[in-house]
Amino acid sequence: DADVTQTPRNRITKTGKRIMLECSQTKGHDRMYWYRQDPGLGLRLIYYSFDVKDINKGEISDGYSVSRQAQAKFSLSLESAIPNQTALYFCATSDGGEQYFGPGTRLTVT
Amino acid sequence: SQELEQSPQSLIVQEGKNLTINCTSSKTLYGLYWYKQKYGEGLIFLMMLQKGGEEKSHEKITAKLDEKKQQSSLHITASQPSHAGIYLCGAGSSGGSNYKLTFGKGTLLTVNP
Repeated sequence: DADVTQTPRNRITKTGKRIMLECSQTKGHDRMYWYRQDPGLGLRLIYYSFDVKDINKGEISDGYSVSRQAQAKFSLSLESAIPNQTALYFCATSDGGEQYFGPGTRLTVT
Repeated sequence: SQELEQSPQSLIVQEGKNLTINCTSSKTLYGLYWYKQKYGEGLIFLMMLQKGGEEKSHEKITAKLDEKKQQSSLHITASQPSHAGIYLCGAGSSGGSNYKLTFGKGTLLTVNP
């Protein structure tokens, strides 16, 4: 079984809808991250969390919110989706060393 | 903020050829990570370099860190179609902590059989 899982893997939604992307990990890491990847822009950090009570904004947090429900779970929400949030979203975990990435969620906002 | 520039942006090679991808940082490098990504999939960790002059190898992939130049290079020997994908470098933030990584935009490698 994969160490970092993301659900859903693909999602198409309409402008204005609320959507949640979920991430679970079995590596026992405290640190979890959400990134988005866009062609030509690379990976950009949205939010990161060092433990259940510690949430930090990344470089592009506007329009997003997160919840760290447990050490193993970190979810990303788009309160009111807009088309420029169409992207590939990755969750990652770390114990302070390299980051381990999930398979990604491809989100399309129409 | 730290920026990582990768070159080339894309590369097409014939199977069996050697190739090099570079990653140059705008600031001092405290830790450099190389990842590989298959199109539309997650990132797979390849290796991490921390000390100037450090060199690591895994199968036919070798990475080096030049601290003075604030640069890392990834070299693939005798490329194979399985090497195709996007290679990304990521660098830890200042102070030696890698709690946040900044990534380059990636190098797209195509290996023609």
